[in-house]
Amino acid sequence: EQLVESGGGLVKPGESLRLSCAASGFTFSDSYMHWIRQAPGKGLEWISSITSSASSTFYADSVKGRFTISRDSSAKSSLFLQMNNLTAADTAIYYCARGSETGSTTYFDLWGQGTLVTVSS
Amino acid sequence: SYVLTQPPSVSVAPGQTASITCGGNNIGTKAVHWYQQKPGQAPVVVVYDDSDRPSGIPERFSGSNSGNTATLTISRVEAGDEADYYCQVWDVNTDHAFGTGTKVTVL
Repeated sequence: EQLVESGGGLVKPGESLRLSCAASGFTFSDSYMHWIRQAPGKGLEWISSITSSASSTFYADSVKGRFTISRDSSAKSSLFLQMNNLTAADTAIYYCARGSETGSTTYFDLWGQGTLVTVSS
Repeated sequence: SYVLTQPPSVSVAPGQTASITCGGNNIGTKAVHWYQQKPGQAPVVVVYDDSDRPSGIPERFSGSNSGNTATLTISRVEAGDEADYYCQVWDVNTDHAFGTGTKVTVL
């Protein structure tokens, strides 16, 4: 089971970036997926989730209206995060993670290695 | 938003017990999950649903949750346990919340 993120890099404020996360070794189409980020030297921040069927998406207030989560559950088994109007506050390592649902809650049982996004002029 | 407060740091001698707290309003009514993050690595879940351990996690890691405080306990601490630890809950009003994180130092 593996998650591999890509697409990070250095961008200027106001620019856009699209992150990808390739899943393998498990049934991606059955999995609730998430993006979580970590600013340099800071803690973890959940930013977005998408249900297994892609019928519902959820966002933290800090990214709502600027970021869009999506997925491709075909043979490519990929998760995406479209990030628009980036600011310095978005500088972070971005992790994709698989959600494991137990009863009425979810925890993150598989994480990728992360991809670094730096927003700077 | 739902706030989860952890002590910034905990120091412990090898072989001793480390206790990491996670404070939140009525956190005892929620399921708490704990992650270990070593430098330069992604987090790994060490306890879920307050006190369950994923396969491969040593029995030295245990959790409890009651009232306004959840606790991760690491027994017989080893040098390899040195890491940052985060608690996490899901709340219907605020989605997923992480604690502020605790750096565990093995003396």
